[in-house]
Amino acid sequence: NAGVMQNPRHLVRRRGQEARLRCSPMKGHSHVYWYRQLPEEGLKFMVYLQKENIIDESGMPKERFSAEFPKEGPSILRIQQVVRGDSAAYFCASSPPEGRYEQFFGPGTRLTVL
Amino acid sequence: DAKTTQPPSMDCAEGRAANLPCNHSTISGNEYVYWYRQIHSQGPQYIIHGLKNNETNEMASLIITEDRKSSTLILPHATLRDTAVYYCIVRVGYGNKLVFGAGTILRVKS
Repeated sequence: NAGVMQNPRHLVRRRGQEARLRCSPMKGHSHVYWYRQLPEEGLKFMVYLQKENIIDESGMPKERFSAEFPKEGPSILRIQQVVRGDSAAYFCASSPPEGRYEQFFGPGTRLTVL
Repeated sequence: DAKTTQPPSMDCAEGRAANLPCNHSTISGNEYVYWYRQIHSQGPQYIIHGLKNNETNEMASLIITEDRKSSTLILPHATLRDTAVYYCIVRVGYGNKLVFGAGTILRVKS
């Protein structure tokens, strides 16, 4: 059973470009969470999604950031018009259907904005 | 979710038990104690969780005090590969975000 997969693992963008980060949850998991870790800082929750629904986006910056988890395909975290302050590691986690509580994390995508 | 307090760092000799404490004095009755770790910027790894009973799995043991205001994660035979940041998190069971604090940096030394 493959774990949570994220791609790309490393992404370099210039200021003003768009960044798209993909997350494929573990098989059978229908809940996805995105977290961000800025350099030398802790992990911060961004958004929680179920298939075709955003459940909690309380940690998402108000502008330029969006997330989706379509019926088919991976979850996407999209950052428009990136700035240097967006440089961070972005981690995706998934959790199984209700009744089990663990979240399993992917390896992360390291975004560098030049 | 209740706040947790952990020591910023600890050292442990290889092969010895590592005991990582966590205080969560404001925990409420429906909140679980979770432990995760992050090894050198990798994705966090789930270790164990519990509500009020002590728990054990292949990785670790979790001891929760009777009043549930504190807990201890025990790695029975620490190895160099256990060097990581360990996070104690308290939250209501299912479908909630994880709120990470600063955690405890555990250094296992040979």
